Amino acid sequence: NAGVTQTPKFRILKIGQSMTLQCTQDMNHNYMYWYRQDPGMGLKLIYYSVGAGITDKGEVPNGYNVSRSTTEDFPLRLELAAPSQTSVYFCASSYGLVNTEAFFGQGTRLTVV
Amino acid sequence: KQEVTQIPAALSVPEGENLVLNCSFTDSAIYNLQWFRQDPGKGLTSLLLIQSSQREQTSGRLNASLDKSSGRSTLYIAASQPGDSATYLCAVRSNTGKLIFGQGTTLQVKP
Repeated sequence: NAGVTQTPKFRILKIGQSMTLQCTQDMNHNYMYWYRQDPGMGLKLIYYSVGAGITDKGEVPNGYNVSRSTTEDFPLRLELAAPSQTSVYFCASSYGLVNTEAFFGQGTRLTVV
Repeated sequence: KQEVTQIPAALSVPEGENLVLNCSFTDSAIYNLQWFRQDPGKGLTSLLLIQSSQREQTSGRLNASLDKSSGRSTLYIAASQPGDSATYLCAVRSNTGKLIFGQGTTLQVKP
């Protein structure tokens, strides 16, 4: 049971570089989410998707882009990395809205220097 | 805009004590509320999911209640143990599909 898989687990980026955080789930879930968690804080929603081809902004979308071409994958793109994007990033998925739990990946720890 | 608040931010109790963690939300138009546990440096583990039509859910020593009309949920932990030490997060799912988190309560249970 893979569940929600995030890669990489750790990454160091230089200011201005770009990268894609990968997230894939094997549970045929419709809803997928990207969050960032800064030290000592809760999770802030970056983007979410209610199904393949549909994405929407969350609470803190600036500096990020997403796509959802398949049900399984929901990559998060950072185009011009900034120190303010140093954080731990979590991906989550759920089947629907009613009576369904959200399941989380183990996170990607990103440092921008 | 949905806002979720958790009080207190931190809590320290002696082993064996019963305790209550609070979660409040500003928009009562929710599908459900989920409580999670997070250990330091780790991901999130789901504890309880409570639907908007439910008043409470129980799992072992944990009991979550929901009062949707007043925008409140509580997580009750009975007979706390040192292994319960972690950060507890609540999240509400709105009718747009968003899942919004509170900032968490960090619990320390002292032996």
